[in-house]
Amino acid sequence: QQPVQSPQAVILREGEDAVINCSSSKALYSVHWYRQKHGEAPVFLMILLKGGEQKGHEKISASFNEKKQQSSLYLTASQLSYSGTYFCGTGYNNNDMRFGAGTRLTVKP
Amino acid sequence: DGGITQSPKYLFRKEGQNVTLSCEQNLNHDAMYWYRQDPGQGLRLIYYSQIVNDFQKGDIAEGYSVSREKKESFPLTVTSAQKNPTAFYLCASSTAWDISYEQYFGPGTRLTVT
Repeated sequence: QQPVQSPQAVILREGEDAVINCSSSKALYSVHWYRQKHGEAPVFLMILLKGGEQKGHEKISASFNEKKQQSSLYLTASQLSYSGTYFCGTGYNNNDMRFGAGTRLTVKP
Repeated sequence: DGGITQSPKYLFRKEGQNVTLSCEQNLNHDAMYWYRQDPGQGLRLIYYSQIVNDFQKGDIAEGYSVSREKKESFPLTVTSAQKNPTAFYLCASSTAWDISYEQYFGPGTRLTVT
């Protein structure tokens, strides 16, 4: 029931773009995206709810494809501060939520 | 400032001892959660509470216990029955137990049991 994230890790140069995917085997009602720096608490980025398709947050945006039961997080013109592990949390109709294993993003100068 | 506090940040215990991790929030949130995080893995739910005086087991509740006597507090006890307690523990809260609300996380407690 845990969502599958891909890729597991990605290394970028500053200014490059990245896409992180989150797939579920069950129908999704919401998708949460969080970023966690090493040894710190996850920080909320955005929520996408059933019926919504796209959401933006500065240079970070996400899409939600209900039919495909997946969400993608888009990071454009990456900055050093974007480094960290990105988690998706998938919400189901019984208010159950599951988190993916995370995608480790490293942005180098 | 509103937020979630967890204490202590680092905790060391001997095998066979129970230990209680503190979690306090001043966000006036009804729902609170405890997660366990192991290296390279996602967050696994231990217990959650939808409202004061109520709590439910998550996916990995064995060896753990909680209480929710006050809205702002949700302590987690790691008992000696937990076979592999060394991990990073995160407490979170949300406005309600509803997947449409974001969760706010505390800074975490790193527990090491030897």
